[in-house]
Amino acid sequence: QSVLTQPPSVSGTPGQRVTISCSGSNSDIGPNTVNWYQQLPGMAPKLIIFRNSQRPSGVPDRFSGSKSGTSASLAISGLRSEDEADYFCAAWDDSLSGRVIFGGGTKVTVL
Amino acid sequence: QVQLVESGGGVVQPGRSLRLSCAGSGFTFNNYAMHWVRQTPGGGLEWVGVIWYDGSQKKYVESVKGRFTISRDNSKNMLVLQMNGLRVEDTGLYYCARDPATSPRFGYFDLWGRGTRVTVSS
Repeated sequence: QSVLTQPPSVSGTPGQRVTISCSGSNSDIGPNTVNWYQQLPGMAPKLIIFRNSQRPSGVPDRFSGSKSGTSASLAISGLRSEDEADYFCAAWDDSLSGRVIFGGGTKVTVL
Repeated sequence: QVQLVESGGGVVQPGRSLRLSCAGSGFTFNNYAMHWVRQTPGGGLEWVGVIWYDGSQKKYVESVKGRFTISRDNSKNMLVLQMNGLRVEDTGLYYCARDPATSPRFGYFDLWGRGTRVTVSS
C-alpha cells in the first residue's frame, strides 16, 4: 500500500491540460519537497520535476509542479501522445528513521 | 556516456540469497549517494535503501532491514545490494538510482539504470 495517494488514472485529448494530485501527510510532503517521475512503457522511470517545481534540463515546460501543505500536483499542458505514461510522485518521509515514499502511480491516457 | 547498469537478478527460492550489482560510468561515482528502488509486479515503486557517497551511512525500508545490505566500492564505481532471506514479496524489478547529492537530503533520483529482475518463487 502506497503512502502517497494518487488517482489511478487520468485522461485527456491532445492539447488539453491535465493534472495529477498527490496527497500525503505532515511527516512526508508537509515538511519536505515533492518529486515526480514519468515512466514510459517498458522503460525506467525518469525524473521530470524535483523540489516541487523544478524541471531538469531537457524536460519540456509543458510539465509543471506545485505543492501546498501536504499535497502536490503535476500539470501537463498541451497534452501530447508521447505523454501517455505512468506518473509517480515521491517525497522524503521523516517517519521510521527516514525513507523515500512513492505514490501508487497515475496512468495518463491520451484519447 | 552517463549510465547505470544493473546485473545479478534471477529466479531464487524463498530463503535463499542473491547479490545485485550496479556499475556506474560517465560520472564521478563517489560524488553521489546511491539508492536501490524496486518495482513490484503490480507496477508500484518501492524505495529499498540508500548509501551515502562515502558509504558512511545507510538507510533501509523497514521490510528489508536485517536481510538486505547495501554497499559500494568507489574504486570500482560499483554499488551492491546483498539480499538474504529472500521472500516472495521481494519479487520485482530492481533499479539502482543516483541521488544528485552526497546524502539523500531531498531524496530524489536524477539517473536510473534499466533494472534487473528478481523472482522469488518455490
